[in-house]
Amino acid sequence: KNEVEQSPQNLTAQEGEFITINCSYSVGISALHWLQQHPGGGIVSLFMLSSGKKKHGRLIATINIQEKHSSLHITASHPRDSAVYICAVKNMDSNYQLIWGAGTKLIIKP
Amino acid sequence: NAGVMQNPRHLVRRRGQEARLRCSPMKGHSHVYWYRQLPEEGLKFMVYLQKENIIDESGMPKERFSAEFPKEGPSILRIQQVVRGDSAAYFCASSPAYLANTGELFFGEGSRLTVL
Repeated sequence: KNEVEQSPQNLTAQEGEFITINCSYSVGISALHWLQQHPGGGIVSLFMLSSGKKKHGRLIATINIQEKHSSLHITASHPRDSAVYICAVKNMDSNYQLIWGAGTKLIIKP
Repeated sequence: NAGVMQNPRHLVRRRGQEARLRCSPMKGHSHVYWYRQLPEEGLKFMVYLQKENIIDESGMPKERFSAEFPKEGPSILRIQQVVRGDSAAYFCASSPAYLANTGELFFGEGSRLTVL
């Protein structure tokens, strides 16, 4: 079993829908990261969380430390949100290593 | 303030040739990480460097691959005698020393290596 599991693996939705991507982890962490990768493109850091909730525009990220679970939400989804969303956790036993999820491929249809 | 700069963005090599990928971290960042992404797969850690030091190369193949981050100039990931299986996107990320323990990374656009 991977230490960081994302679900779903693939998600296709219509424009305007509310999107939720989940990330569960099994190790003790000091931080959790959500990143975005567009097809053929670079990787952009969206959020770094250690507790609670963060919001940036239409993106919301939450984390529940007790349940070892985080969600990334997209409100009023748009085709330009189509990308791979990656969850990565900073293991508290490591000075720098991140443990990466496999990513969730999101396609928003117009 | 320029972001992490990688070049070349695309590189085509024939089997047996050498590939050199360069990464200039963001200004003020002293930590550099290289990741490899095979087609349709996630990121895999390769190597973590600080200026003139390799801190962790546990993710890098023992043969044909090497990395450096000299005192002056960009970090270089070098792949000798490339094979088809080396075809991948290679991402560089950097962080300043004060963020290294948080895992917060700033990524470049990647270098896409194709081996014919």
